[in-house]
Amino acid sequence: GENVEQHPSTLSVQEGDSAVIKCTYSDSASNYFPWYKQELGKGPQLIIDIRSNVGEKKDQRIAVTLNKTAKHFSLHITETQPEDSAVYFCAASMRTSYGKLTFGQGTILTVHP
Amino acid sequence: GAVVSQHPSRVICKSGTSVKIECRSLDFQATTMFWYRQFPKQSLMLMATSNEGSKATYEQGVEKDKFLINHASLTLSTLTVTSAHPEDSSFYICSALLRGAGNEQFFGPGTRLTVL
Repeated sequence: GENVEQHPSTLSVQEGDSAVIKCTYSDSASNYFPWYKQELGKGPQLIIDIRSNVGEKKDQRIAVTLNKTAKHFSLHITETQPEDSAVYFCAASMRTSYGKLTFGQGTILTVHP
Repeated sequence: GAVVSQHPSRVICKSGTSVKIECRSLDFQATTMFWYRQFPKQSLMLMATSNEGSKATYEQGVEKDKFLINHASLTLSTLTVTSAHPEDSSFYICSALLRGAGNEQFFGPGTRLTVL
């Protein structure tokens, strides 16, 4: 089955800096890659996603890039703010898996004011 | 956007009792919902896939007689933890699959279960 590795496990940045979180996946059949933000005691919230027919996607301060050849994808947050502090999870899904997601281990992002 | 609710948000029960958790898709129909379990500082672990009108599909290692899932309608799935024990204490999260929009999955706010 699919295996998703996520790095780093913790990331600390100063307000205004950029943050990058990277994930690799094992199954070349995966074609959907969402990113979730989870605040303490809450469910994950979809913040951005990308599909295998696209190399990059942006939404204001957030961007995701996908390298299908290398089987890795990354989340980029620019101009970080304290409210960006949370746990971020990457995930991967195959068209044939009926929506089942395989999650990365998570990254605890701390943005210092 | 697509909204998923869970009830209750927090439950404390005695060992040996059963607890039911509800997951509802509020503004869309979900033929497929998923149930996850999350331990502190860990990732989400998929327990089972809930399909409307059919039996749930459980992941390897998850006891189907322990965690009963019922997806009775296109907007409601329930997870019942039977004969709960302290080791069942965890954060349970459901999600609903939004078909026709690239299979995006939207999560509920989670249910914190504490078994005494």
